[in-house]
Amino acid sequence: AQSVAQPEDQVNVAEGNPLTVKCTYSVSGNPYLFWYVQYPNRGLQFLLKYITGDNLVKGSYGFEAEFNKSQTSFHLKKPSALVSDSALYFCAVRPSGNTGKLIFGQGTTLQVKP
Amino acid sequence: NAGVTQTPKFRVLKTGQSMTLLCAQDMNHEYMYWYRQDPGMGLRLIHYSVGEGTTAKGEVPDGYNVSRLKKQNFLLGLESAAPSQTSVYFCASRPTTGFSDGYTFGSGTRLTVV
Repeated sequence: AQSVAQPEDQVNVAEGNPLTVKCTYSVSGNPYLFWYVQYPNRGLQFLLKYITGDNLVKGSYGFEAEFNKSQTSFHLKKPSALVSDSALYFCAVRPSGNTGKLIFGQGTTLQVKP
Repeated sequence: NAGVTQTPKFRVLKTGQSMTLLCAQDMNHEYMYWYRQDPGMGLRLIHYSVGEGTTAKGEVPDGYNVSRLKKQNFLLGLESAAPSQTSVYFCASRPTTGFSDGYTFGSGTRLTVV
């Protein structure tokens, strides 16, 4: 079965420190990979995606993600966390095929403390 | 440019009542999706549509029906609401090709079934 796993329910980081939010996936073929962020009572906002090419993808708000095919991972990173980064983060995978269905991970709450 | 608009934003239903959630997009997107978000479970696909007049089942379709009579609208219906359908519902859309920023999500509908 195709799936996405975010092993941490919550990640706590001090402001100014680097952050990592983990994501691993299990899908066939060459999937598209996404990260979305959700602020309280809001919809999901696109952060970044990996389609092909360079394994390090840069996105919005200073976030980046590293695609590792051998480890089937797509971890989200930021060199220096801000309190305003506190939110719920979702990793998503779009398996091969043209219906474009996204498979989401469970979500990871990022808490950045001053 | 409104993007994806969901109505209503909040609703409380009694068990057995019916209702329709409306999703409207003004971006001329072909594909539209309905997801439900539950704590610790990420977003799960209910139904989707690859074009006007077409719909298909997603991961958790039971208890829901959908219609896509017009390209810009995707309706999600609950014929007989159950407490298990208490959730936050998100609609999303995307174009057929070249979706540089992934999917566009609405701001969600928070439904409580009592």
